[in-house]
Parts: sequence; C-alpha cells; structure tokens
Amino acid sequence: NAGVTQTPKFQVLKTGQSMTLQCAQDMNHNSMYWYRQDPGMGLRLIYYSASEGTTDKGEVPNGYNVSRLNKREFSLRLESAAPSQTSVYFCASSELAGGMETQYFGPGTRLLVL
Amino acid sequence: GQSLEQPSEVTAVEGAIVQINCTYQTSGFYGLSWYQQHDGGAPTFLSYNALDGLEETGRFSSFLSRSDSYGYLLLQELQMKDSASYFCAVKRSASGGSYIPTFGRGTSLIVHP
Repeated sequence: NAGVTQTPKFQVLKTGQSMTLQCAQDMNHNSMYWYRQDPGMGLRLIYYSASEGTTDKGEVPNGYNVSRLNKREFSLRLESAAPSQTSVYFCASSELAGGMETQYFGPGTRLLVL
Repeated sequence: GQSLEQPSEVTAVEGAIVQINCTYQTSGFYGLSWYQQHDGGAPTFLSYNALDGLEETGRFSSFLSRSDSYGYLLLQELQMKDSASYFCAVKRSASGGSYIPTFGRGTSLIVHP
C-alpha cells in the first residue's frame, strides 16, 4: 500500500515550457486535490476532483489544467510555465469516514521555473 | 470569502504544553482539521473537529467552538520531534454539493531543549 505517489520529485523548467505532474493513490478514495505551497502562504488549493469524472477550480487555478484519468490518477498540467509557478506541489486524496475527513498527501514535487 | 488566522511562530521548551490558536471566517463551515508538516516533508493529518468540544489523541488535543469560529491545537509533554509547522484547515461546502478544505498559513513550532 503506497498511499499517494507523485512524479517527478524535482523538476526545472524554462519559462514557456510545459509539463504534467502525475499523482496516483491506491486507497480507493473518491476525492483528490492539487495544492501549491509557497513560503509563508500555507497550502493553496489549485484544483480538486470530488469524484471520478468531475473536476473543479480551487483558489488559484490560473495557468493550470487537470485531468482525473480514473479513480486512482489525477494529473496537473502547466501549459506554459512562468517563474510565478515556482513552488512545491502536493497532491492529496481524502476519505470521509464517520463524518470525519482525512487528507493523505503525496511527498510533493519541487518545481523551479527559470 | 474565507480566511484563517493562526500565529506565525510559537516557541516552547521540551516537556512544556503549548496551544496553537486558529480563528476562521468562512461560509458553509463543516469542520476544522489540523495537520503537521516537518521541513521538507508532506503534511500529515493530526485531528478533526466537526462539533464543539475537545478531541484527544495521545499528547495532542484539538478544540472547536463553532459559535466563536475558533479552535486550537494543544500539544502536551513537548518533544524535540514536535518542532514542525502546524496548519489548521476548515472544511467548507462548495458548488455542486462537494466539500473542500482551506488551509491557514501555518504556525512554526520551535521546541527548545
């Protein structure tokens, strides 16, 4: 049981390049999320998917797109990277049990845009 | 809109008790969670409160007052390994009947020997 996995762990891009961050979970969770974390800013929600086949914008969706490929996988795409997108990106999935929701986070992808 | 306020930094000595407060303003409030994050690591879940009162899990306790839009995380018998960032997060209703989290900016806890 690997939990939430993310690839790649590190990436350096030039301005204008594109890339896709991959995320997969093996816990059979319905909901998945993409966050970015910048110093002093906490975790900000980019996009989320409440269930397979649905995606919705979070707080900071501009410059990003997502795909919920199946129940396990939720990818984040940067079409034309900008230095402002330099950040640490976390994917998470969540379960709701007994009225309590627990989010499980992947190890993160550290992205530098030059 | 949504906002959460928590102190940016708290310091304490090993063995002490520390309380990290969180006040929030949000519509469609459903519950308050706490997460711990060590430097370079991923956030990990600590506790969740949907109803008023205190929830205890070992050395950690979390409290919620819905009428005051306020909660806190209480850490007892502090250990050096508790040095980390702690985030409160509200779970709120969103469009389409789903619920999404909004995180505070985090509190850096520094535990001294």
